Amino acid sequence: GAGVSQSPSNKVTEKGKDVELRCDPISGHTALYWYRQSLGQGLEFLIYFQGNSAPDKSGLPSDRFSAERTGGSVSTLTIQRTQQEDSAVYLCASSNKGLLMNTEAFFGQGTRLTVV
Amino acid sequence: DAKTTQPPSMDCAEGRAANLPCNHSTISGNEYVYWYRQIHSQGPQYIIHGLKNNETNEMASLIITEDRKSSTLILPHATLRDTAVYYCIVRTSGTYKYIFGTGTRLKVLA
Repeated sequence: GAGVSQSPSNKVTEKGKDVELRCDPISGHTALYWYRQSLGQGLEFLIYFQGNSAPDKSGLPSDRFSAERTGGSVSTLTIQRTQQEDSAVYLCASSNKGLLMNTEAFFGQGTRLTVV
Repeated sequence: DAKTTQPPSMDCAEGRAANLPCNHSTISGNEYVYWYRQIHSQGPQYIIHGLKNNETNEMASLIITEDRKSSTLILPHATLRDTAVYYCIVRTSGTYKYIFGTGTRLKVLA
């Protein structure tokens, strides 16, 4: 596709339910990132994938959060037993491995998650 | 943890140059400085990046001091559509990770 695509754009869920957020990166991009942005706050790094390397999960806030990237393309961020503090915009980005790794990341429009 | 320091907010008159400063005093020799912006309700948008030389593209110019401890993003002729939060980021060496700070909220005034 032309850009990073995220779905759904909006998700309202009840506290305690599980949710899955999807990210379709730009075709051919080997790096994929997930960030979270709470209302009025900056971006909080969650996880990133680079090719076949082990993902960097250092930003995941708890074991209720997990992510996978199948076939080096589409990624799914799963939040189990959602809590109200999980309400935020979840942003996905991808980038291409370039010379010296100095390439820019392209962000999707995000999924706005509301836990009620 | 963010490696950069930016003023929380700035105003700029429409048509004037907007100069957004950033301090990154602990930057190491192989770390790049990146600038992104986030317009309300959208995902962040790449603007420009550099290592030690000044850079210019169709959106902006990036001026990096000789000691690389600070930089300035220049929007030469700010428009109302440039109102956004501007993030200065130092790319973590050896990884693809971007660590976003709190950014500068630029408001362009008519």
